[in-house]
This record gives sequence, C-alpha cells and structure tokens, in this order.
Amino acid sequence: DAGVIQSPRHEVTEMGQEVTLRCKPISGHDYLFWYRQTMMRGLELLIYFNNNVPIDDSGMPEDRFSAKMPNASFSTLKIQPSEPRDSAVYFCASRYRNGEKLFFGSGTQLSVL
Amino acid sequence: AQSVTQLDSQVPVFEEAPVELRCNYSSSVSVYLFWYVQYPNQGLQLLLKYLSGSTLVKGINGFEAEFNKSQTSFHLRKPSVHISDTAEYFCAVSALTGTASKLTFGTGTRLQVTL
Repeated sequence: DAGVIQSPRHEVTEMGQEVTLRCKPISGHDYLFWYRQTMMRGLELLIYFNNNVPIDDSGMPEDRFSAKMPNASFSTLKIQPSEPRDSAVYFCASRYRNGEKLFFGSGTQLSVL
Repeated sequence: AQSVTQLDSQVPVFEEAPVELRCNYSSSVSVYLFWYVQYPNQGLQLLLKYLSGSTLVKGINGFEAEFNKSQTSFHLRKPSVHISDTAEYFCAVSALTGTASKLTFGTGTRLQVTL
C-alpha cells in the first residue's frame, strides 16, 4: 500500500483565494482525520470522519473551513477565503478502528501571503 | 474530554546517554495511550501504544514507555540514544469507548541528540 497520500505537498497562495487540500486514505481504513500543525498551537484536530460521515468538526476554526469525504477513498479540506493566519502544515491521517495506530500523510505546507 | 501535557518542549542529550520524555494525561474515562515520532518534513509515525495489559510497553527503535495509572503518566524512555533519534516526539491519548475515538496530542518534545 502507498500509505496516506496528500496533495499538493506545498501550496502558496494569496490572501482571499480558495485553497483545496486533498487526501487519499489507506484502503480499508474506516477513520479519516484532518490535523493542522503550527509552532504556536502544535497539532490540532480539525475534523474526523468515520465511514465517510463527519463525526466531530468542533476543531474547525471557523466557517471559512469545510471538509468533505464523498467516498471512502477521497477527502478534501477547503479554505475559502484563505488568510495569512491559516499558514500551517495540514496533515491527513487514517486508521482502521479505535485503538489502532494512525497513519499520517506527508502533509501539505500551506503558505498564505 | 482528554488532555495531554508534555512538560518539556526541548530535551538536549548526548549520544549514547539515556533519555526520558515526560507525558501526563487527564481523562475521566479509561484511555489508550500512544507515542508518535515526527522526523523533519514528514508525518507522524507510531512508536508504541498502550491499550491494556502489561504497563511496560516496548516500541520500535529501542524505545519503551511505562503506563502509571495512579500518576496518570506515560513517560517515554530509551537507555542509549543515537543521533538518528533527533526528532519531535508526541504523546497522545484517546478514549476507549463511545464516539470519542479522536486522538488528542500533546504539544510535543523536541529531542536533540548531539555528539
């Protein structure tokens, strides 16, 4: 298996633009997580899905952020409009079930100018 | 809700010396505990996990951790570190039951190994 695949690896955009981050989880995994990592706040859980259904989105910072999982093999995290404070590394992770290890993607480094 | 505290943001250590990275957690229910490692420009990888049973858990790369329920701790140890162990280490917790299957991470400890 190729692991969790995220794209793009790097994204540089201007304030106000729409940004879409993509994730392909490991086949057979029931859970998908989106995390944001910054120096100031560490790793923050934004949202997670179980069987393609959003379970907890309490970590989504505001309405500018949205996430979807239209099928078991694909998820997106969208920021519209983007702001400089959204600059961070965004990780997608998946796992089979509770208690099992999370498999992380390599992350998307987002820079909003 | 669960929370994790990693008291040390950075731990400098010489190669071949022992190291302990501290982790304390808070939870009103029973939990699973994990240590993850992050190398530069990479995602996190699982080092070890405690689900139940023996309180001493052995992981990859010679690391081990001990679950102490009375002290709500899950400290990570290695008897002799190597330069290649330089990385960020994260302690994490998740509840055993219910819909609270999300993983909550600590703020991380940067282990810097030098010659």
